[in-house]
Amino acid sequence: DTEVTQTPKHLVMGMTNKKSLKCEQHMGHRAMYWYKQKAKKPPELMFVYSYEKLSINESVPSRFSPECPNSSLLNLHLHALQPEDSALYLCASSLWGLLNEQFFGPGTRLTVL
Amino acid sequence: AQSVTQLDSHVSVSEGTPVLLRCNYSSSYSPSLFWYVQHPNKGLQLLLKYTSAATLVKGINGFEAEFKKSETSFHLTKPSAHMSDAAEYFCVVMNTGTASKLTFGTGTRLQVTL
Repeated sequence: DTEVTQTPKHLVMGMTNKKSLKCEQHMGHRAMYWYKQKAKKPPELMFVYSYEKLSINESVPSRFSPECPNSSLLNLHLHALQPEDSALYLCASSLWGLLNEQFFGPGTRLTVL
Repeated sequence: AQSVTQLDSHVSVSEGTPVLLRCNYSSSYSPSLFWYVQHPNKGLQLLLKYTSAATLVKGINGFEAEFKKSETSFHLTKPSAHMSDAAEYFCVVMNTGTASKLTFGTGTRLQVTL
């Protein structure tokens, strides 16, 4: 299995909702990442997990809460989001960490009403 | 510090003609360089990577790129464009120092016409 999967593909939520994005890989990678991508812009790094521990948080607002329950799974919990948080959220993984090439999932298209 | 500049935000070519997407980088260390492609509403797919081995790198779907240290460039080329090549292309640099992150260029949208 050489892919990163993300669910759901699309998500529409209100500003008071709580939802979660899920990312999974079975390549034995020990580093996983969340990126946010606005339309016509490059991805922006949000979080990095290395060996299931949060190693980088790029000053992301606390309404985004990452979780890495095991080496194959990465979640992003969402609460009290703003309309400007609407974007494509990409998950990626790499073998050990930042020095290895990253494999990206297809993304979750999030719309906040 | 590291940075990457994609010189063209939009490139249009006819099917069957060559493709050239330009990328210049700045890096304090020996960089690793990547080209990723993103089709509409899709994730990023790695086309090719340079990691200090051969300077001419061959990737998937007939793409290749040449690392030129003297020009700090890593341009992406393909001899003959196909309609399916229409997508957004990102040049990405990564320093090989500690705690290195990917630095993305702003992207080049490739349009392929009949």
